[in-house]
Amino acid sequence: DGGITQSPKYLFRKEGQNVTLSCEQNLNHDAMYWYRQDPGQGLRLIYYSQIVNDFQKGDIAEGYSVSREKKESFPLTVTSAQKNPTAFYLCAGGGVPQHFGDGTRLSIL
Amino acid sequence: GQQVMQIPQYQHVQEGEDFTTYCNSSTTLSNIQWYKQRPGGHPVFLIQLVKSGEVKKQKRLTFQFGEAKKNSSLHITATQTTDVGTYFCAGLVWRGDMRFGAGTRLTVKP
Repeated sequence: DGGITQSPKYLFRKEGQNVTLSCEQNLNHDAMYWYRQDPGQGLRLIYYSQIVNDFQKGDIAEGYSVSREKKESFPLTVTSAQKNPTAFYLCAGGGVPQHFGDGTRLSIL
Repeated sequence: GQQVMQIPQYQHVQEGEDFTTYCNSSTTLSNIQWYKQRPGGHPVFLIQLVKSGEVKKQKRLTFQFGEAKKNSSLHITATQTTDVGTYFCAGLVWRGDMRFGAGTRLTVKP
């Protein structure tokens, strides 16, 4: 089936550790997005990419990094510089509509 | 910076009552999209509005885009328990920069 696949579903981070969230798509979308969702809140844009090897910062890019080496993949790294990483992370592909993955829930150990 | 504001934050209704959520942008939007997120799930696309003053209907759902393309609303007539979830508006600022509202969480009492 076509879709946006995020892994892992749950992830735990230790202090000072970088962690990478995977996002893969087989929908042939040029555009891909990363959002952060905190409990009871909306989606805040972290990074987006409209084409391979290019990406733009969203509202809350500090403490995060991305790469877009191939069309199908848009991994997000949560670095140790992100002091409050506990959240639900959603990856999406496409412009209109956006197709979302099932999300990764990141927690601090 | 660009902000998309959405109210109310929460709405609790009795089944059969109507429900409306409102979305306002600080700047003109290229388009507005609406999504629904069920508890524990991910946002699912409902509709896109592009034209100034546009009105679209999906069964009991009515979507409007303001004349100035800065505001939008979603109205649900005669809510059902299946309508439970969080409704988000999202505006395309330009060239792929998508901004979501904070969402309105709807609960429906049977």
